[in-house]
Amino acid sequence: AQSVTQLDSQVPVFEEAPVELRCNYSSSVSVYLFWYVQYPNQGLQLLLKYLSGSTLVESINGFEAEFNKSQTSFHLRKPSVHISDTAEYFCAVTPWGAGSYQLTFGKGTKLSVIP
Amino acid sequence: DARVTQTPRHKVTEMGQEVTMRCQPILGHNTVFWYRQTMMQGLELLAYFRNRAPLDDSGMPKDRFSAEMPDATLATLKIQPSEPRDSAVYFCASGLVGSDSGANVLTFGAGSRLTVL
Repeated sequence: AQSVTQLDSQVPVFEEAPVELRCNYSSSVSVYLFWYVQYPNQGLQLLLKYLSGSTLVESINGFEAEFNKSQTSFHLRKPSVHISDTAEYFCAVTPWGAGSYQLTFGKGTKLSVIP
Repeated sequence: DARVTQTPRHKVTEMGQEVTMRCQPILGHNTVFWYRQTMMQGLELLAYFRNRAPLDDSGMPKDRFSAEMPDATLATLKIQPSEPRDSAVYFCASGLVGSDSGANVLTFGAGSRLTVL
């Protein structure tokens, strides 16, 4: 079984400041890792994913996350946030291999960008 | 862009009433998931289907919840009878899930917000 811990339920940050949203996971098998974003009154959207290869993955809107196997972490970072980044962010994992259908989500981190 | 469509977007009902939520997955996706989101529990997986067959519904209260996929374009989640504790946002998601290493990406619908009074 897998579990995901997002250490901060809420993160307020001023516009143009950097931000880090923390995610740690626990699993007895290798996993794929994801960050999803949920804007108000909307469903979740994939932000970025780590499947294999380079441990640093990037999204099209300036977010990046780094997979750290030794620390079982997949923290999300952005060097300069915008008002439009205000949303809830979910870290998720799923085990490798065929038939791995189930995403396990963290409880989410609400990012509030302050003008 | 291809979308997962959920109806209704909002539903207010009284305790004891039957509630049916519908989901149209993305054409060609072989797996459909139902999630429930609440403030207290976060996102919980209720059930999922692959190629219309139910694979796991262990997250659902069996006595009142049922999930079906009568055809490839429709998935339903039914609650009968509904209770106030069922108030939540219910999300449907679909994906092309299988042996391909990049395939475990889900597309979520906008959700059905259920309020049971």
